Parts: sequence; C-alpha cells; structure tokens
Amino acid sequence: AQTVTQSQPEMSVQEAETVTLSCTYDTSENNYYLFWYKQPPSRQMILVIRQEAYKQQNATENRFSVNFQKAAKSFSLKISDSQLGDTAMYFCAVADTGTASKLTFGTGTRLQVTL
Amino acid sequence: DGGITQSPKYLFRKEGQNVTLSCEQNLNHDAMYWYRQDPGQGLRLIYYSQIVNDFQKGDIAEGYSVSREKKESFPLTVTSAQKNPTAFYLCASSETVYTGELFFGEGSRLTVL
Repeated sequence: AQTVTQSQPEMSVQEAETVTLSCTYDTSENNYYLFWYKQPPSRQMILVIRQEAYKQQNATENRFSVNFQKAAKSFSLKISDSQLGDTAMYFCAVADTGTASKLTFGTGTRLQVTL
Repeated sequence: DGGITQSPKYLFRKEGQNVTLSCEQNLNHDAMYWYRQDPGQGLRLIYYSQIVNDFQKGDIAEGYSVSREKKESFPLTVTSAQKNPTAFYLCASSETVYTGELFFGEGSRLTVL
C-alpha cells in the first residue's frame, strides 16, 4: 500500500514571496509517479506538476518547482513569486506506473497568500 | 469546451434513500474515477473504470455502486448501505489508466439529513 504524508495542515505566505510545501511518501514500487494538485475555493482539482521517479532532474512548471529526494521519499513543492491566485489547498499524490492514474493522496496543505 | 460535468452540485437526501450522482466527460478519455473527499482526509478512491462495461473497486467501495455503459458517462450511486454518506464527491477522467494525469469535475456535495 502507498501512503502520502503532508505534515503542514496550513501555511501562509506574502505575495511575491517564496513558499515550500512538504510531502513525504511511502511505496514499495521502484517506478512511480508523484504529483501536486491544487484545489482552489472553486473546489475543482488542477494538476500543478508531475514527476517521474526514474528521472533525477526535478520537474519545473513556471513558478512551481519540486525538490525530489528519492532516497528520503520526499517530494516538496516550491512556489516562487506567490500570487493571490495561488491561495488553495495543495495535495501531494503518488501512483505506481502500472496504474498511473490510480492516485493515493495526502491530506492536503491549505495555503493562504496575503498582501 | 472539453471537460467533466458533475451534477447536481448540491444534493440533500434523507437517511435510507439511494442517491445517484452524475458524471459526464467529453474528453474522449477511456478511464474514469470517483473520489470521496472528507475534511482532513484528502481524497479516497471509491471506484474506477478503465473502459466501457468494466469497473474496479477502489479503497472505499462499500456502500457504493457504479456503471459504465457509455464511454462518456460514469454515474455513482450512494446506497443506503453507506454508513456515512455525507461528503464531497469528485469525478475524474484520464486518457487511460496508465497516463497519470487526472482531469477533475467541480464536484458534488451530498448531505444526508
């Protein structure tokens, strides 16, 4: 069974600053995918970034980047130049490559971006 | 616009009644999913379907049923056997079960009185 732990229930950051959200996971698979999803107040989940475990290079997507530490089973999300629209719940998730869309999610981190 | 449509957005039902939540997608995706979201628990997989006329139980399938008679439709029935049905329900789809990116609907909030 896979598990995902997000130890920060809530975080706050000022506009234009940088914030890092933590995620640790556990899986017995050697090949798997990791994801960060965003759920804004509208409640529709949106994919932020995705990482394949076999790739050593950290994924980036505009202002969003990850720090993937495979040995430590850590997958943190860094948001640079935070914007008010980044206010949302952020969920970390893992899926093995055999069924890559069957995701196991963490409990989420609520991020508030303030002026 | 392509996407996933869930209805209704809000639903109130009395205890003991079965309820069906609708999920329709026009993305031509093969795979579809139902997740349940409770405060402080993240999302948990109820059922998923890889192709038409096939579906598999997820982690919390007890008290739920699904059908997949058409590619674009994956309705979820919350039966009276579900002990704690009040929750937010999210439907999602992906190109296949192997592609790793889920596209979500806006969700349905079910409250059982």
